[in-house]
Amino acid sequence: DAGVIQSPRHEVTEMGQEVTLRCKPISGHDYLFWYRQTMMRGLELLIYFNNNVPIDDSGMPEDRFSAKMPNASFSTLKIQPSEPRDSAVYFCASSAGQGTTDTQYFGPGTRLTVL
Amino acid sequence: ILNVEQSPQSLHVQEGDSTNFTCSFPSSNFYALHWYRWETAKSPEALFVMTLNGDEKKKGRISATLNTKEGYSYLYIKGSQPEDSATYLCARIRSNTGKLIFGQGTTLQVKP
Repeated sequence: DAGVIQSPRHEVTEMGQEVTLRCKPISGHDYLFWYRQTMMRGLELLIYFNNNVPIDDSGMPEDRFSAKMPNASFSTLKIQPSEPRDSAVYFCASSAGQGTTDTQYFGPGTRLTVL
Repeated sequence: ILNVEQSPQSLHVQEGDSTNFTCSFPSSNFYALHWYRWETAKSPEALFVMTLNGDEKKKGRISATLNTKEGYSYLYIKGSQPEDSATYLCARIRSNTGKLIFGQGTTLQVKP
């Protein structure tokens, strides 16, 4: 398996522009997680899905952020409009289950820079 | 302790040194603790999942122990090598939802 795939790997955009990050989870994994990594807050969970349904979006910072999972093999995280403070590395992860011992497998991340 | 705390924040050691760092977490309502290794420009990789008090896990030169009663876990690296240079993250499971709450990590630099 190729692991979790994310695109793009790097994104530079200007403030106010729409940004879409993409993720393909590991085949057969029912859970998908979106994280954001910043120096100030570390690695924080934004939202997660189970069988394509959003379960907990309490970590989504504000209405400018939205996430979808139209099918089992694809998810998007969209920021509209983007702001400089959204600059961070965004990770997608997937797991086979939601048990306390289920390992989450992380993608390579998308480094977002908003100018 | 309300969240996951890791210390030290960074560590520089010489090749061959053994080292250890700490992960502290709330001892109440403990479900599991995960350790991840995160190399620069790569994605975090799972090292260990620990659930039982007194648990000890080992993978090569890296081992970890768990004390759920006092709320801490230690990660040990024996005979550090330059390829061990990475950020080591621990994360506790929040309730039984599978949500991981990460610490800020300990960044290890091993000098040849």
